[in-house]
Amino acid sequence: DGGITQSPKYLFRKEGQNVTLSCEQNLNHDAMYWYRQDPGQGLRLIYYSQIVNDFQKGDIAEGYSVSREKKESFPLTVTSAQKNPTAFYLCASSSREGLAGELFFGEGSRLTVL
Amino acid sequence: AQSVTQLDSQVPVFEEAPVELRCNYSSSVSVYLFWYVQYPNQGLQLLLKYLSGSTLVKGINGFEAEFNKSQTSFHLRKPSVHISDTAEYFCAANSGYSTLTFGKGTMLLVSP
Repeated sequence: DGGITQSPKYLFRKEGQNVTLSCEQNLNHDAMYWYRQDPGQGLRLIYYSQIVNDFQKGDIAEGYSVSREKKESFPLTVTSAQKNPTAFYLCASSSREGLAGELFFGEGSRLTVL
Repeated sequence: AQSVTQLDSQVPVFEEAPVELRCNYSSSVSVYLFWYVQYPNQGLQLLLKYLSGSTLVKGINGFEAEFNKSQTSFHLRKPSVHISDTAEYFCAANSGYSTLTFGKGTMLLVSP
């Protein structure tokens, strides 16, 4: 079945550690996105990529980094510079960015900093 | 930049009653509107979308929404809810080639 796979589903880390969240899609979509979700805050865009080897900052990129070396993969690294990393992270993809761009979502990764 | 406002953070309703979840967006020359549903600890699933044409849009699970340009609204409705409709609902919008902007969500709580 086509879809988006995020891993791990749950992750714990100590303060000061970097952690990488995986996102893989087999929908042959060009665009991929990372959102952060906090209770009562909705979804906020961290980074997005419209094509391989290119990506743009979203509204809350500070403390995060991404790469897009393959069309299928868009990993997110939460660095030690992110002051409040505990959140639910959602990866999404679309066949093209913007216009009528319906997003398809993964199941999410819940990161807890101890 | 587009902005989306969901007026209610939580909507309690009894099973089999009708429900309306409200959404307003900032005005734009062209706008594309979406409603997504999220069940606990899961990703978001598309309920319905408005791109153009008929202002009444029908989606999955018996939901529908009406695009009202003069009121810049896109409210979601269901004539009779089920316990299984308990979830968080997100309204989203984009215009032209911008990324999708989400509202803060409305938690629908259906009780027996």
